[in-house]
Amino acid sequence: EAGVVQSPRYKIIEKKQPVAFWCNPISGHNTLYWYRQNLGQGPELLIRYENEEAVDDSQLPKDRFSAERLKGVDSTLKIQPAELGDSAVYLCASSSVWQRQETQYFGPGTRLLVL
Amino acid sequence: KNEVEQSPQNLTAQEGEFITINCSYSVGISALHWLQQHPGGGIVSLFMLSSGKKKHGRLIATINIQEKHSSLHITASHPRDSAVYICAVGGTYNTDKLIFGTGTRLQVFP
Repeated sequence: EAGVVQSPRYKIIEKKQPVAFWCNPISGHNTLYWYRQNLGQGPELLIRYENEEAVDDSQLPKDRFSAERLKGVDSTLKIQPAELGDSAVYLCASSSVWQRQETQYFGPGTRLLVL
Repeated sequence: KNEVEQSPQNLTAQEGEFITINCSYSVGISALHWLQQHPGGGIVSLFMLSSGKKKHGRLIATINIQEKHSSLHITASHPRDSAVYICAVGGTYNTDKLIFGTGTRLQVFP
């Protein structure tokens, strides 16, 4: 079974540029999470989707961040414009409430560097 | 004060040593997760605990709900165990929001 797929793995951009990250969750997983992990810190939830509905986006900086999960499968996370402080690893995870699996499955992350 | 605290923040060990990483939390939970993150890699779930103790290979995780404390033990440590170990707390259903600790960076030298 393929795991959570994220792309790109690495991205370097200049500040004020836009950037987008893509996530393909494990097949059949209806819950999708985007996390941001700063260096030396644990992940922080940005947004959680149940199917195509964003059920928790309280930590998403909505002035510059946006996310979508059309059709309840793949998801994209966008930053526009990026700031220096956005440099971090952006992790996507998925889980399946229907199968009552006990864990979230994480992707490899996208490492973003804003210059 | 963070809701999930881990100690130590950094840990070095010689191959073969017994290792303990601690996690304390201040919120009410019904499950605690131990996760492993390798440099440049994604996060892998090691354990989900709601009580008692779980063992998988050389890894042992314990939790004391009354004391709001959990430990992750690694027996006969190996250089390939070098990673960041993260404690996270949340509900028993995986859709609940997880609160993460800052992680313990472990380096095991041969």
